Amino acid sequence: EPEVTQTPSHQVTQMGQEVILRCVPISNHLYFYWYRQILGQKVEFLVSFYNNEISEKSEIFDDQFSVERPDGSNFTLKIRSTKLEDSAMYFCASSPRGQGQYFGPGTRLTVT
Amino acid sequence: AQSVTQLGSHVSVSEGALVLLRCNYSSSVPPYLFWYVQYPNQGLQLLLKYTSAATLVKGINGFEAEFKKSETSFHLTKPSAHMSDAAEYFCAVSDQSNYQLIWGAGTKLIIKP
Repeated sequence: EPEVTQTPSHQVTQMGQEVILRCVPISNHLYFYWYRQILGQKVEFLVSFYNNEISEKSEIFDDQFSVERPDGSNFTLKIRSTKLEDSAMYFCASSPRGQGQYFGPGTRLTVT
Repeated sequence: AQSVTQLGSHVSVSEGALVLLRCNYSSSVPPYLFWYVQYPNQGLQLLLKYTSAATLVKGINGFEAEFKKSETSFHLTKPSAHMSDAAEYFCAVSDQSNYQLIWGAGTKLIIKP
């Protein structure tokens, strides 16, 4: 069964550094998402992407965040200058039209 | 604005007993509703979804949920708990099929032998 994959599984970075989290969505899906889950808190929506552009974004998704689909398979989340409070589990998801979102295993980001 | 409330951060049941995890939502439009499960150190797996078709939805691993508009509820049930059901369960709502999911806080299901 096709799956969403994410790399790396764990990323440790220093405050102020840039990180890129990578995702490979399921191949025939059209909609792509990033969510995050700070330890002990709810899952929070960051951004959705459709037809090569952002379709929705939350207040969390400020100028330090960006997303890209550089080729036909990858979907990346870039955090330009990481802060301690960016430490979280980041989940990528993809969806065919109207059928629910399918999540990857997540990348644990630790900012020190 | 949409919101999701899951009653009980932890639910403990004996193996073989009925599982009932509660989810109530608020939405100004007909909602799309989802249950996800997260096993320890793993991602979020879609258990089942309600997308305005049948109100009783069957999912994987023997779980089902019933959409009750009058009660604004979408409770998750399983007739007989198994040790492998121990995980955290999240209810989520969306106002369109491909829009952002709004999440509940999650309920940790503990299965007693």
